[in-house]
Parts: sequence; C-alpha cells; structure tokens
Amino acid sequence: EVQLVESGGGLVQPGGSLRLSCAASGFTFSSYEMNWVRQAPGKGLEWVSYISSSGSIIYYADSVKGRFTISRDNAKNSLYLQMNSLRAEDTAVYYCARDPDPLGGAEGTFDYWGQGTLVTVSS
Amino acid sequence: EIAMTQSPVSLSVSPGERATLSCRASQSVSSNLAWYQQKPGQAPRLLIYGASTRATGIPARFSGSGSGTEFTLTISSLQSEDFAVYFCQQYNDWPPVYTFGQGTKLEIK
Repeated sequence: EVQLVESGGGLVQPGGSLRLSCAASGFTFSSYEMNWVRQAPGKGLEWVSYISSSGSIIYYADSVKGRFTISRDNAKNSLYLQMNSLRAEDTAVYYCARDPDPLGGAEGTFDYWGQGTLVTVSS
Repeated sequence: EIAMTQSPVSLSVSPGERATLSCRASQSVSSNLAWYQQKPGQAPRLLIYGASTRATGIPARFSGSGSGTEFTLTISSLQSEDFAVYFCQQYNDWPPVYTFGQGTKLEIK
C-alpha cells in the first residue's frame, strides 16, 4: 500500500524557517517524481514545488521561489521542503504528492497524497 | 500562468440525480486536465486525468469530457459519499506551473 506521511509542521513567526519531511513507503520511491502542494485554510490548492526522481530537476512556484528548497533522499525514501523567510500567506496545510508513473499517461497529476501537515506563520 | 475557473461555486443536488461541474482554462491546455475530489479533513483524491480517463478504482458514474479550454465532470447518479469539493487541475505547462480551479462544493439537496 502506498503511504506518504508528512511531518514537521507547526507554528513559526514571520521570517522564520521550518523543514517539512515526507516519508514514503509501499512503492519504489526512487522511481517517482514528487511534489509539494499546499492548501490555505478554507481555500483551494496551490502547487508549490516539483522534484524529479533523481533530484536533478527542480521547479518552484513563483510565490516560493528563492525562499523554499525541495530535496529528496532516495536511500531514506524521504522528501523534504526547507522553508525560509516564511510569511503569513504561507500558512497552509502542506501535502506531499506523488507524480504517477510516466508510462501511465497521467504525468503531471498527483495520484497519491499524504495526510498533510499544517504550517502556521504568525506572531 | 494558466488560470482555471470552476462553476458553479456550489451545487445542491439530490441523491440519485446527475451532477454536472464545469472547468474553464484561460488558454488551451489540450487534454491535460485532471479532476480531484476532496472531503473534509482529507487529502484530495485523483478521479480523472487526461480530461476523460478514470483513475484506478474510480467508479464508472464519474466521467470527464472536454478539451482545449472547456471541461466537464459528470457524476451520473449521486451517492451519499460523493458530496464533497471537486477541483480541476491543468498540467499542460512544462516546466511545470500547475494550477487548480477554486473548487465546486457539491452539497446534498
């Protein structure tokens, strides 16, 4: 069974930092591209960042570029999001989400999601 | 950035009836359109990709159609478990700038 479990959320002051983790199991993590997607309370979904299966290709939404860093450790089956210079508008539930197998024709969608971890940026 | 607009914002439908949800893209996304269902306190679930292909395990009462800028999700006979928020997502851009619609809340009438 595919499982994605996020951790590391919490309350942080504006300008602060936080590192999110996502532990993956039930599939060959090193073969899949991964993403972070966030959802502000009561709001819609916003794609945040993408990382290729090897970690060599990375993209960010403009709203987080220069402040957030995505990374992965395939030996530990883990995905990370380092968030610096946090702002109130970064308050959201952060989900890690798997990009489907490219051979399946759904690349660019998100076929498995974690349960999310809440990040609150407030003084 | 491609903007996605969903309509209506909310929809009240009786169980057993059909629901039709719409999604419009600000420019063509070809068939690179997905639909997700989200229930309160849960992560989204992928329903449809490629505008019309059901994801694994999704019941046949869910169907998607459209291409270019206009898309529709139809739920043919609503079950109690279908009342939720539905989001569309375009994944046409590369490098990725994936964008979602604001959601349609499907409520019991």
